[in-house]
Amino acid sequence: QSVLTQPPSVSAAPGQKVTISCSGGTSNIVHNFVSWYQQLPGTAPRLLIYDNDKRPSGIPDRFSGSKSGASATLAITGLQTGDEADYYCGAWDSSLSAGVFGGGTKLTVL
Amino acid sequence: QALLQESGPGLVKPSETLSLTCTVSGAFIRSGGFYWGWIRQHPGKGLEWIGYVYYTGSTEYNPSLKSRTTISVDTSKNQFSLSLRSATAADTAVYYCARVFYQSSGSYFKRIWFGPWGQGTLVTVPS
Repeated sequence: QSVLTQPPSVSAAPGQKVTISCSGGTSNIVHNFVSWYQQLPGTAPRLLIYDNDKRPSGIPDRFSGSKSGASATLAITGLQTGDEADYYCGAWDSSLSAGVFGGGTKLTVL
Repeated sequence: QALLQESGPGLVKPSETLSLTCTVSGAFIRSGGFYWGWIRQHPGKGLEWIGYVYYTGSTEYNPSLKSRTTISVDTSKNQFSLSLRSATAADTAVYYCARVFYQSSGSYFKRIWFGPWGQGTLVTVPS
């Protein structure tokens, strides 16, 4: 059971928008910053979003992050088949004194 | 841009020590500003943070693995290493090394993110 909770799967059609949620609590998301990762099939994770809503260089602006209270959201617009991947949220948990991740969400582009 | 590459045995016997090394290119560990860490992914499962090391040798570990884990750094080789003692089948996973940004200013508003990542290496511990 992961500390951060994500839906197991989401799906949407090419060109559409999809959102992926990440729920936590006061020891992690509420008081600390959230990051997001994309893991394409058979590859290592890649940093998509850090500090809740910042994109590293090279990440398209189709990817955006936000946070409100104990939840964070990754939004992907203009979906492409190449976006099919597993997506993970991450944060520091101050109670556990550990970095923690969500269980991952599999995105299917129909 | 930093590039990271894991190396080490793909098969470890039960009760022995799992040892991996991460070689960094395109960046110098001794430059500071970033930590250097390990994350693992059990087959078909999510990500689990193992720990990280600073160039000074300062470390932080996941409490669930702390008793068996040592992460060390060799700035002369621009490498850092993971040792996980008393391995069991439950340690079978893909192990990733990654550059880590971590900032803590008090009890709240802690920042941690991981990137870039190495390609990962599968380590199997037979049951």
